[in-house]
Amino acid sequence: QVQLVESGGGLVKPGGSLRLSCAASGFTFSDYYMSWIRQAPGKGLEWVSYISTSGSYTSYADSVKGRFTISRDNTKNSLYLQMNSLRAEDTAVYYCAREVSTWFDPWGQGTLVTVSS
Amino acid sequence: DIQMTQSPSSLSASVGDRVTITCRASQSIDSYLNWYQQKPGKAPKLLIYATSSLQSGVPSRFSGSGSGTDFTLTISSLQPEDFATYYCQQSYSTRTFGQGTKVEIK
Repeated sequence: QVQLVESGGGLVKPGGSLRLSCAASGFTFSDYYMSWIRQAPGKGLEWVSYISTSGSYTSYADSVKGRFTISRDNTKNSLYLQMNSLRAEDTAVYYCAREVSTWFDPWGQGTLVTVSS
Repeated sequence: DIQMTQSPSSLSASVGDRVTITCRASQSIDSYLNWYQQKPGKAPKLLIYATSSLQSGVPSRFSGSGSGTDFTLTISSLQPEDFATYYCQQSYSTRTFGQGTKVEIK
C-alpha cells in the first residue's frame, strides 16, 4: 500500500538546522510531485514547499523562502527538507504528502520539530 | 497569494444533522479546490478533490460544490465519526489552506 514515513524531527535551538526525511513506498515515487506541509501546535495547516518529479522545479511559502530547501532522491524513494535558521515559529508537526494531480494524498504520520532554547 | 477563508470556524451539530461548511477564495481558482478531514493526533485525509469528486472510500454523505471563488462541503447526515476539523485547500496558484472548521458534538 502507499505509505509515507517522515523522520528527523526533534528539538533544535533557534538559529539551528535540521533535515527532515520522508521515505515513500507502494508507488512509483519518481512519477509524483511531493510536498511538505506543517501544522503548528493547535493551529491549522500551512503548505511549506513542493518539488517536481525530477526535482528541477521547487516552490516555497514566503514564510520559509531562503531558509528551507526541498530535495528528493528518486533512486532512494526519498524526500527531504533542509531547514536552516530555524525560528520558534517553525515549531510544528511536519507532514510529507504525495501530490496527485493537484491534491494531497496520502499524507505521512508527521514528525514534530520543536525550536526552543 | 491566494487567501482561503472558511466559515464558520467552528460549529456544534447533532448526529443526523445536515452540515455545510463554506470556503471562499480571494480570487477565482476555477475548480482547483480540495477538502480534507483531520481527527485529533492524526494526519489529514483527503475527502473531496477538484471541487466535487469524492475520494475513493469516502462515504457518499460527503459532497462538494462551487466554482470560481465560493465553495461548499456538505455532510448530508452527520455521523459520530464525522466529528473532526475540515480544511479546504486551493491548488490554482501554489497551495493554500483555509483556517479550518471544527465540527463538534452538540
